[in-house]
Amino acid sequence: ILNVEQSPQSLHVQEGDSTNFTCSFPSSNFYALHWYRWETAKSPEALFVMTLNGDEKKKGRISATLNTKEGYSYLYIKGSQPEDSATYLCAFMSAGGTSYGKLTFGQGTILTVHP
Amino acid sequence: EAQVTQNPRYLITVTGKKLTVTCSQNMNHEYMSWYRQDPGLGLRQIYYSMNVEVTDKGDVPEGYKVSRKEKRNFPLILESPSPNQTSLYFCASRAGGDYNSPLHFGNGTRLTVT
Repeated sequence: ILNVEQSPQSLHVQEGDSTNFTCSFPSSNFYALHWYRWETAKSPEALFVMTLNGDEKKKGRISATLNTKEGYSYLYIKGSQPEDSATYLCAFMSAGGTSYGKLTFGQGTILTVHP
Repeated sequence: EAQVTQNPRYLITVTGKKLTVTCSQNMNHEYMSWYRQDPGLGLRQIYYSMNVEVTDKGDVPEGYKVSRKEKRNFPLILESPSPNQTSLYFCASRAGGDYNSPLHFGNGTRLTVT
């Protein structure tokens, strides 16, 4: 089973703060890295699918970067708002062997934004 | 509206009583998958299906069965549920040929086995 780690496990910030968290994944056989946002009592929703080393994606105040050579991705939230409170999941897709096409999820980072 | 529909949302049952959680998608997706979410762990894949009549085990298949008789439906079957299967379950789908497309998730089924 592939190892995908997210840090920190949880994060509390004040409204207006900018924040970032990390997803670490195997640096070999990379195919894609997904980010999902999961609000309580809802279903996870896709934020980004990143496929190329050096990729940067942006959606409103949320952005993500990707380093496939060293095996990490950062998710940034600028000027956090209470509605950003959610669990952020990353998922690694391998290009190799029997894992090809399969998504392996990290355990998530729980973000709480206090008004 | 494009969606993945799971039922039921909540289910409380007793050990050994067979149950089925249904999953249906209206996006004509080839790929469908079941995950379970437990505290402190990431989403773990139970089973997946690449197309009709094509299913395969994920990371935690023990105690579960699936079937894919139609493209839109992918039910999860627990023949003899046990308390360690108490969990939050998600069904998801994506276009089969495009590994760069994201997963679309259902709303989840919270299962409690006593």
